[in-house]
Amino acid sequence: AQSVAQPEDQVNVAEGNPLTVKCTYSVSGNPYLFWYVQYPNRGLQFLLKYITGDNLVKGSYGFEAEFNKSQTSFHLKKPSALVSDSALYFCAVRDRDQAGTALIFGKGTTLSVSS
Amino acid sequence: EAGVAQSPRYKIIEKRQSVAFWCNPISGHATLYWYQQILGQGPKLLIQFQNNGVVDDSQLPKDRFSAERLKGVDSTLKIQPAKLEDSAVYLCASSRLDRHSEQFFGPGTRLTVL
Repeated sequence: AQSVAQPEDQVNVAEGNPLTVKCTYSVSGNPYLFWYVQYPNRGLQFLLKYITGDNLVKGSYGFEAEFNKSQTSFHLKKPSALVSDSALYFCAVRDRDQAGTALIFGKGTTLSVSS
Repeated sequence: EAGVAQSPRYKIIEKRQSVAFWCNPISGHATLYWYQQILGQGPKLLIQFQNNGVVDDSQLPKDRFSAERLKGVDSTLKIQPAKLEDSAVYLCASSRLDRHSEQFFGPGTRLTVL
């Protein structure tokens, strides 16, 4: 069965500092991995995805994520946090090798960036 | 490019009443999804359509929930009768056919069942 774990309910960081939001996954085959961000009273917005190839994926708003197959992780990173990055972040996984499998989301991590 | 549209944005009903949500996906997106997002949790897939056929409805409580996608475009999700535990945000998303395509989400409908 597929699953996603976001071990931190909340991450606090000061503006200008680097940020990391952690995600680990479990699939029986190879994964497609996604990060989404959700602002209050808004739907989810796509940030980036890993399909294949380069393990470092660059996405919107200066975010990037590193796929680590041996650690089954896909942590979201940004070199310098902005107050406007404060939001709820979701990691999601789909098994590439099993047709018809759904996208499974983690429970989310609230990022709070202080000025 | 217009995004995924949903209506209504908010709905308050009493238990045992019925409610319907509407979704208009991004033009040209063959795949449409309905998710339920309970407070403090990630979205959970209720049903997935490809064009106007159902791909996955394994987590849809079929005794009370129903969904349709007529003509492979707009979709409606209905709950009848509603229970207290149905209080959640209902998100609609659409994507291209490729399994690695990202999903684009609408703003959601916040349902409160009293």
